Amino acid sequence: EDQVTQSPEALRLQEGESSSLNCSYTVSGLRGLFWYRQDPGKGPEFLFTLYSAGEEKEKERLKATLTKKESFLHITAPKPEDSATYLCAVQANDGGTSYGKLTFGQGTILTVHP
Amino acid sequence: GAGVSQTPSNKVTEKGKYVELRCDPISGHTALYWYRQSLGQGPEFLIYFQGTGAADDSGLPNDRFFAVRPEGSVSTLKIQRTERGDSAVYLCASSLYGGSTDTQYFGPGTRLTVL
Repeated sequence: EDQVTQSPEALRLQEGESSSLNCSYTVSGLRGLFWYRQDPGKGPEFLFTLYSAGEEKEKERLKATLTKKESFLHITAPKPEDSATYLCAVQANDGGTSYGKLTFGQGTILTVHP
Repeated sequence: GAGVSQTPSNKVTEKGKYVELRCDPISGHTALYWYRQSLGQGPEFLIYFQGTGAADDSGLPNDRFFAVRPEGSVSTLKIQRTERGDSAVYLCASSLYGGSTDTQYFGPGTRLTVL
């Protein structure tokens, strides 16, 4: 069974204090790993897709990296507006028809204080 | 452009009642997904449509849950004989092709409360 575990559950940072969020995963075969941001009362907002170990993607203050067992979301010099829940999800290559199914972690709640 | 929309935004019902939740995907997207998110948890997959047909309904928890997409656009998630444990935010997402690693774009969700 596919599993995704995110850590820490919650992270408090001061503005400008860089840090990383972790996403550990267990899948039969990885098609893709996705990062989403979710603000309170809203649906998840797509950030990145990573396909293979060693891949990196960047967007503004965010950088996502991927290894064979985990992914990291690095936040450089965060601002209060980066406060949100960050969700990691995997899509498995199970040889079946579940091309659409994403398995999500529980999320990391990030709070950035000014 | 317009994103995924869901109606109603909030639904309060009594235990045992029937509810319908509606999802309007992004125009031109052939794939549509339903997820359920409980407080403090990540979304949990329910069902995936490719066009009008359900390609994967393995996440539906039991036969009280049913979803349709008769014309390959709007979808309705139907829940019969609601239970308090059904209370959650129901999220809908759509993607262009529904193929491998196709990006899923989410709507704002419907918050269902069963009293």
